[in-house]
Formats: sequence, C-alpha cells, structure tokens
Amino acid sequence: NAGVTQTPKFQVLKTGQSMTLQCAQDMNHNSMYWYRQDPGMGLRLIYYSASEGTTDKGEVPNGYNVSRLNKREFSLRLESAAPSQTSVYFCASSERTSGVSSYNEQFFGPGTRLTVL
Amino acid sequence: AQSVAQPEDQVNVAEGNPLTVKCTYSVSGNPYLFWYVQYPNRGLQFLLKYITGDNLVKGSYGFEAEFNKSQTSFHLKKPSALVSDSALYFCAVSALRETGFQKLVFGTGTRLLVSP
Repeated sequence: NAGVTQTPKFQVLKTGQSMTLQCAQDMNHNSMYWYRQDPGMGLRLIYYSASEGTTDKGEVPNGYNVSRLNKREFSLRLESAAPSQTSVYFCASSERTSGVSSYNEQFFGPGTRLTVL
Repeated sequence: AQSVAQPEDQVNVAEGNPLTVKCTYSVSGNPYLFWYVQYPNRGLQFLLKYITGDNLVKGSYGFEAEFNKSQTSFHLKKPSALVSDSALYFCAVSALRETGFQKLVFGTGTRLLVSP
C-alpha cells in the first residue's frame, strides 16, 4: 500500500511556464484535495474533489486548474506559473461517508517543492 | 467561517517533561477537531481527532488532546516528551458544508523542539 503518491518531488519553473502536478492514491478514497504550504500560513486549500467527477474551488484557487481523472488520480495544473506560486504542494485523500459522518482524517502525500523564478 | 488559532510559533521542552501545544477554534455548530504532525520534508500525518463523546482523546505516539467547549480549545498534550517528537504540529477544524462534505481549515502550525 503506497498511500498517496505525488510527482515530481521537486520542480523549478520560469515565470510563464506551465506544468502539471500528479497525485494518485490507492486507498479507494472518494475525496481528494490539493493544498499549498507556505511559511507562517499553514496549509491552504486550493481545490478539492468530493467524489469522482466533481471538483470545487478551495481558499486559493486563482492560477490553478484541476482534473479528477478517475477515482485514483487528481492532478493540479499551473497554466502560467508566477513567483507567488513558489510553495510546497500537498495532495491528500480521505473517505467520504454520508450525512454528518464526513469527518474522516485525511492522508497526505510527501509533497512537491516548486520554485518559480 | 471556521478558523483555528495556534498562538505559539514554537514550543521548547526538555526530554521527559510534559508538553502542551495550544489550539483554539471558532466554528458554527459542532466542531470536528484534528491534530496532525509534520516531520521535516514529509507530508502531514494524522495524530488524533475529536468528533463527539469523551473530552479527552487519545492518539498515536502517546499524544492526547483535551476538548474544552467553554474555552473553545483543543490543546495537544503528552506526559513525557521525546526528542523524536520534535516536529511541526497543526491543529485543524472541520468545516461542514450543506452537503456534509468535510473541508479542513488548518492553523499556522507550532514547531515543537524537544531538547535532550
């Protein structure tokens, strides 16, 4: 069981370049998330996918797009990278249960460290 | 809107001493509270959660947390700290939407340093 995997681990981009961060989970979770972590700001939600076929904006979606390719995979795309997008990006997944039981813990990948010059 | 405050950027404690990492929250309705730990160059790992029931919640690696509704707090504790507990700790609160979908709001993190 690999859990949540992310590729690449590190990436350096020039301003204006595009790239896609890949994420996959093998725990059969319904819900997946993308966060960014910046010093002194904790984790901020970029986009999430409650279930296969749905995506929704989080707290800081500007400059990003996502695709829920299937139940396992959830990718994050930067169409035109900016220095403000220099950050560590984490993908996470969790079970989703119905009604008020949607309080399951999230499982995180190892992160992608992105630098935009 | 839901929010979490971790008032201390860093907590220093000597090995063998008890440790407390503080967290207060603001949420409409019932809070679902979580603690996560992050070791250097790693993703976050789940430690424990409070959903309902007993106010004292026990989790991984000997950690526990006490839910206090009147003080809107969920402090993380451990009776005897280890050097290996040194890490970044995040408190988080669940933000329920009308669909019942969980969205976590994280605090800014507290760095715990345990000295030998």
